[in-house]
Amino acid sequence: DAGVIQSPRHEVTEMGQEVTLRCKPISGHDYLFWYRQTMMRGLELLIYFNNNVPIDDSGMPEDRFSAKMPNASFSTLKIQPSEPRDSAVYFCASSLIGGFGSPQHFGDGTRLSIL
Amino acid sequence: GNSVTQMEGPVTLSEEAFLTINCTYTATGYPSLFWYVQYPGEGLQLLLKATKADDKGSNKGFEATYRKETTSFHLEKGSVQVSDSAVYFCALSDGIQGAQKLVFGQGTRLTINP
Repeated sequence: DAGVIQSPRHEVTEMGQEVTLRCKPISGHDYLFWYRQTMMRGLELLIYFNNNVPIDDSGMPEDRFSAKMPNASFSTLKIQPSEPRDSAVYFCASSLIGGFGSPQHFGDGTRLSIL
Repeated sequence: GNSVTQMEGPVTLSEEAFLTINCTYTATGYPSLFWYVQYPGEGLQLLLKATKADDKGSNKGFEATYRKETTSFHLEKGSVQVSDSAVYFCALSDGIQGAQKLVFGQGTRLTINP
C-alpha cells in the first residue's frame, strides 16, 4: 500500500517567495495533519483536518501560513511570503478515525530552506 | 495542558547493550501512549503503542508498559543493534471528542556503536 506522499522532498528558495508543499494522504484516512520539525522547537503540530475540514489551526505560526484540503486525497501548505525562520522539515501525516490508539502515518517530509 | 517529557539525549551505547529511554507524561483523562522512531531522512514511524493502563506495547524487540501510577511509558530493549540508531519520540493522544492530536516529546537521539 502506498504511504503518505509528500512533494517536493527538498525546496530551496529565496526569502519573499511563495512556497507550496503538497501531501497525498493514505486512501481512506479521515484525518490529515501538518507538522513542522526544527532543532530548536522539535515537532510542532500546525493544523489538522477531519474529512477535509480544518479542525484546529492554532499551531499555524502566523497569517503567512495557510493550508487547504480541497478533497480527500490532496492537501497543501502554503507560505507567502517566506522568511528564513520558516526553514524546517515539514511533515504530513494521516490517520483513520477510530477512537483511542489510532496511529498517525507520516510522509518522508519536505526539507525547506529559505535563503 | 497535556505534555510529554523524555530523557535528554543523545544516548550512545555499544551493540548488545540494554536500552532504556525514559518518558513521563502529564494528561487529563486516559490518553493513549505511543513510541515513534525516525530514521535519518525519513518521517516518523509507529514503533509501538498502549491504549490503557498496564498495557504493554511491543515490536522489534522493543517494549514499553503504560504505568498510570507513575505516569510513565519507558522504552526498553534488551540487546540493541547498530540498526536501532535513530531518534525516538514518545507521544500521547488525548483522543478528546474523536480528535487524534498527538503531543510529542522532544525526541531522544540514539547511537549504537559496533
